[in-house]
Amino acid sequence: RKEVEQDPGPFNVPEGATVAFNCTYSNSASQSFFWYRQDCRKEPKLLMSVYSSGNEDGRFTAQLNRASQYISLLIRDSKLSDSATYLCVVKGGGNKLTFGTGTQLKVEL
Amino acid sequence: EPEVTQTPSHQVTQMGQEVILRCVPISNHLYFYWYRQILGQKVEFLVSFYNNEISEKSEIFDDQFSVERPDGSNFTLKIRSTKLEDSAMYFCASSPWNTEAFFGQGTRLTVV
Repeated sequence: RKEVEQDPGPFNVPEGATVAFNCTYSNSASQSFFWYRQDCRKEPKLLMSVYSSGNEDGRFTAQLNRASQYISLLIRDSKLSDSATYLCVVKGGGNKLTFGTGTQLKVEL
Repeated sequence: EPEVTQTPSHQVTQMGQEVILRCVPISNHLYFYWYRQILGQKVEFLVSFYNNEISEKSEIFDDQFSVERPDGSNFTLKIRSTKLEDSAMYFCASSPWNTEAFFGQGTRLTVV
């Protein structure tokens, strides 16, 4: 089983749509969870940390289910500028971040 | 807004040569990292550095690789005897604590 697994997509959605991404992780001892965004040939940029209680930042909502080892990201009212690859990232007990392969989102007019 | 800066943005080198990739982490950060991303693949961890020593490294980070923090600001990755398969985007990152990391814009290494 992959350490961090994501549906690669692409997800093609119209502007204004709501889209959800899912991610599962294999290491039950993982401690910290994040969503990063990566534009083509650019660096990963932190979108948000993910907390057990769930957290929201504007149009973005992240959820964590430790029992199921599952993380989600919901984007409401999607914009053209949301088009990117969304990376699910997990940190275990050490220092390293483990990245999923990413889910590609294309928002269309 | 503080950011991680990397130089050069693109490096072309011949197979077998040594390269040094340079990074200036965010000034008050304590943890420093190198990651790489081969074209079309996921971001992979190479090494983390804390308190002037390597704190964790991956299987990829073998004797061909080394890191150094020669002064109070720079953090370098040296790749000796480069191979074709070392061609990738190399990202430096830093974090204030052992939490989320902030990435530089990357150095694209092309080995020919």
